[in-house]
Amino acid sequence: AQSVSQHNHHVILSEAASLELGCNYSYGGTVNLFWYVQYPGQHLQLLLKYFSGDPLVKGIKGFEAEFIKSKFSFNLRKPSVQWSDTAEYFCAVTRNTGGFKTIFGAGTRLFVKA
Amino acid sequence: DTGVSQNPRHKITKRGQNVTFRCDPISEHNRLYWYRQTLGQGPEFLTYFQNEAQLEKSRLLSDRFSAERPKGSFSTLEIQRTEQGDSAMYLCASSLGLGSSHEQYFGPGTRLTVT
Repeated sequence: AQSVSQHNHHVILSEAASLELGCNYSYGGTVNLFWYVQYPGQHLQLLLKYFSGDPLVKGIKGFEAEFIKSKFSFNLRKPSVQWSDTAEYFCAVTRNTGGFKTIFGAGTRLFVKA
Repeated sequence: DTGVSQNPRHKITKRGQNVTFRCDPISEHNRLYWYRQTLGQGPEFLTYFQNEAQLEKSRLLSDRFSAERPKGSFSTLEIQRTEQGDSAMYLCASSLGLGSSHEQYFGPGTRLTVT
């Protein structure tokens, strides 16, 4: 069965620190990959996505993610976090063919200290 | 506001009662999804519609759950004979069906508490 693993449930960083959140998925076929973010009191919103092409994708607010097919990974990165990045981050996977079910990871709560 | 809307935002019900939630997607979006989210977990897929057709339903969804999207616009999710384990946030999302794109826009959710 498909699954998505996010390695860290809670991350605490100081402002200007670099961020990397791990995401691994289990599915052997072609996938679409997403990172969603939920800021305190707000809806889930899309941060970035990968469908095909360049495995390094850039999203909003300076975030980027790299798809490494051989490692089934889609890690999220940001070189320098800000206090406003405090939020919960979810990795998600959808099969490209044969269904529309989207699988989310359990999420990573990021707290950035000012 | 042209985002996804959900009603009610909160629902408290007694065990055994039926509840119905409504989702209004972004108007031009033909795909609609329902998820359930509990504390400390990511959204869990429940079901998916393309226009009015329910194309996929989670095997985790018991017979007490049913969803409809009668005219391909708004959708309802009904839970019959609620149980305490049904307490969760129920999320709706919609997307514009362009090929295999599944970029979803989420609503604020309906928080269900079963007492």
